[in-house]
Amino acid sequence: AQTVTQSQPEMSVQEAETVTLSCTYDTSESNYYLFWYKQPPSRQMILVIRQEAYKQQNATENRFSVNFQKAAKSFSLKISDSQLGDTAMYFCAFKGLTDKLIFGTGTRLQVFP
Amino acid sequence: NAGVTQTPKFRILKIGQSMTLQCTQDMNHNYMYWYRQDPGMGLKLIYYSVGAGITDKGEVPNGYNVSRSTTEDFPLRLELAAPSQTSVYFCASILAGGPNNEQFFGPGTRLTVL
Repeated sequence: AQTVTQSQPEMSVQEAETVTLSCTYDTSESNYYLFWYKQPPSRQMILVIRQEAYKQQNATENRFSVNFQKAAKSFSLKISDSQLGDTAMYFCAFKGLTDKLIFGTGTRLQVFP
Repeated sequence: NAGVTQTPKFRILKIGQSMTLQCTQDMNHNYMYWYRQDPGMGLKLIYYSVGAGITDKGEVPNGYNVSRSTTEDFPLRLELAAPSQTSVYFCASILAGGPNNEQFFGPGTRLTVL
């Protein structure tokens, strides 16, 4: 069975600085998708970035980028130029052959002014 | 498009009561899901459906039932509410085989069982 592990329950960063959130996963599948979701206090789940496992190039969305290491089964999220609005829970998620998402336990990110 | 809508937003139940959480999507997505999120935890899959008339259990199905009579609606039924079902419930949908592989989530229902 697939598992997703986020080992950092809480992180903090100063505004305009860079922060990296860690995620590791376990699977025997070779073709899959990885996601980072943001959950602000409103509880809405917002997709931040996605990565297809067959693509070697790391995904980037504006200030958000990932470091995808397939052999190490690692999928970290880097947030550059952190903003106060980035304060939220961040969840790493895995999707394999089925269309079911497996979530990690989340990292609470606090951005300080 | 309204996307994925859920009602109610909040509900307090007494132990043993029953209720139905409503979920509707207007994106013509074939797959729909129900998740629960306990405090400080990630989302866990309760039930899912790959199309009208087809449902299957997820990771934590005990105490819940679902039905999918139409593409748009996927209600979640709690028959005998228990304190362990206090949680935030999310409905989600996806167009399986679509280009983005993105699950769209509803805003959630906060349920408290006392």
